[in-house]
Formats: sequence, C-alpha cells, structure tokens
Amino acid sequence: AQSVTQPDIHITVSEGASLELRCNYSYGATPYLFWYVQSPGQGLQLLLKYFSGDTLVQGIKGFEAEFKRSQSSFNLRKPSVHWSDAAEYFCAVGASNDYKLSFGAGTTVTVRA
Amino acid sequence: EAQVTQNPRYLITVTGKKLTVTCSQNMNHEYMSWYRQDPGLGLRQIYYSMNVEVTDKGDVPEGYKVSRKEKRNFPLILESPSPNQTSLYFCASSGQGRDYGYTFGSGTRLTVV
Repeated sequence: AQSVTQPDIHITVSEGASLELRCNYSYGATPYLFWYVQSPGQGLQLLLKYFSGDTLVQGIKGFEAEFKRSQSSFNLRKPSVHWSDAAEYFCAVGASNDYKLSFGAGTTVTVRA
Repeated sequence: EAQVTQNPRYLITVTGKKLTVTCSQNMNHEYMSWYRQDPGLGLRQIYYSMNVEVTDKGDVPEGYKVSRKEKRNFPLILESPSPNQTSLYFCASSGQGRDYGYTFGSGTRLTVV
C-alpha cells in the first residue's frame, strides 16, 4: 500500500525568502507524485506532477519539485515566496495501476511580511 | 470551463437521515473519487471509480455508498449519517495516462448533529 509523510506540520517563512516543503513516500513500484495547494476555504489545485523522466519538474505559480528515488522523496521548492503563497500544501502519491491517490497530512505555510 | 461541481456546499443534517451529495464533471474523465478532509489527517479516500459501473473502496468507506451510472456523475450517499461523518468532502475527477491528475470540486461541508 502506498503512503505519504509530510514531516513539517507548519512552516513560517518571510516574504521573498525561499521555501522548501518535504515529502516522503512509500510505494513498491514507480510512483506517480503530485503536489496540491489549498487556499483557505477553497478546493485543491494541482501545482505539479511527476510520472517519469526528468526528476526536476516545473509547476504553476513558480513552484518546482525534485524526485529522488534513493531517498523516496519529492520535495517542493519555491525560490522567493509571495504573501499569496500562504496556504496548505499536500503531497500525494498515486498507484500506476488503479489511479488511487493517497495524500499526506499537509503542511501549512504562513508568510510573514 | 472545465470543472467538478459538487452540491450542496454546506449541509447540516440530523443523525440517521439519509442524504446524497452530488458530483458532476464536464471533462469526460474516466476516473472519479470522493475524499474527506479532517484536521491533521489530510485527505482520505472514501471511494473511487475507474469507469461507469466500476467502483472500489478507498481507505475509509464505512458508512458511505457511491454509484457511477453515468460517466459524468458520481454521487456520494450516506444512508444513516452519524456525527463522526461530520467533515469536509471533496469530489474529484481525473483523466488517464499522461492526463492523470485529479481536479477537485469546491467541497461540501457536512455537519451531522
């Protein structure tokens, strides 16, 4: 069975500073990996996804993520955060055979001025 | 506009009174899924469907039913709601292959008293 761990429950970052959110997954085969963002009172929006190929993937809103098979990780990064990036971020792993998608518990990001 | 539409957005009901939350997508997606979101637990999959008349249990299916009679619709049924089903519910749909990646509805906040 697949599972996802997001070690950081809450991160506070200054506006303009860099951001990195950690994600570790457990899955027996090659995983499908995703990052979603949820702004307060909103649904989830897909930021980026990784299926195969280049291990550094670019997403929307200036985010990128790097797949590291040896570390079972898929960390999300942004070089310079904006106040509008304050939200909850979810990492998810999908199975390649049945499209079941499992989510981590989420990381809340607070941006201070 | 490509979207997943859930109704209602908010619902307060009493224990034991059957209810249905509707979900419809206009993207001709094969895959649809229901999740519940609870603080500190992230999103947990209730049921998912890989196509019409094909459904399977997710991680927390107890107390829920689904049906997929048409490709676009995937209603969630609570036959006898209980207070522990108070939660925020999301419906999502996804394409196949390289288009895999769930698009989420805006959510339904359910309170069972």
